[in-house]
Amino acid sequence: EDKVVQSPLSLVVHEGDTVTLNCSYEVTNFRSLLWYKQEKKAPTFLFMLTSSGIEKKSGRLSSILDKKELFSILNITATQTGDSAVYLCAVTLQTQGGSEKLVFGKGTKLTVNP
Amino acid sequence: SAVISQKPSRDICQRGTSLTIQCQVDSQVTMMFWYRQQPGQSLTLIATANQGSEATYESGFVIDKFPISRPNLTFSTLTVSNLSPEDSSIYLCSADTLTGYEQYFGPGTRLTVT
Repeated sequence: EDKVVQSPLSLVVHEGDTVTLNCSYEVTNFRSLLWYKQEKKAPTFLFMLTSSGIEKKSGRLSSILDKKELFSILNITATQTGDSAVYLCAVTLQTQGGSEKLVFGKGTKLTVNP
Repeated sequence: SAVISQKPSRDICQRGTSLTIQCQVDSQVTMMFWYRQQPGQSLTLIATANQGSEATYESGFVIDKFPISRPNLTFSTLTVSNLSPEDSSIYLCSADTLTGYEQYFGPGTRLTVT
């Protein structure tokens, strides 16, 4: 069974702290790994990773994928209260029918206190 | 990226009735998907909406309960039939871009069944 496991499930930090969110996966026919930020309803896209060892960076957020060890991390430096959200990791895999689908982890709820 | 809108944004329905949710994308996309997010849970794929053919349902979801239409490349509907309180959830539409594997999400529909 395809699965995506995120840790920790919940994290509380103070503004200015650096956090690392983890995502491990066991899937067949891996295509890519995606990170989303969900504040209210719609997840907003952060990163898509397809190759090992290549860091993707956007401002204070960065992410990297290790396809050998089957995990990814999302780093947030100098956290701000606006970073408070649920961070979702998802893996795109190819189905037997040739289409693609996303399998999501349970998410990490990050709370940044002032 | 793709901009996705959903209607309604929320609804309260009585047990035994049905709700149809509309999803509109601002550009042609290859794949459209419907997800359910139950309270405190991550996203679960209900089905892939295929243009011009029947939707592809995930294990645990059936067409009689969740009929889906996709009459063209930018529009899809999900109907949740014979509602019960267990159907109370957020329903999200997403679309796959033509150029990559990332999926973009609509704002979601919050359904409450009384």
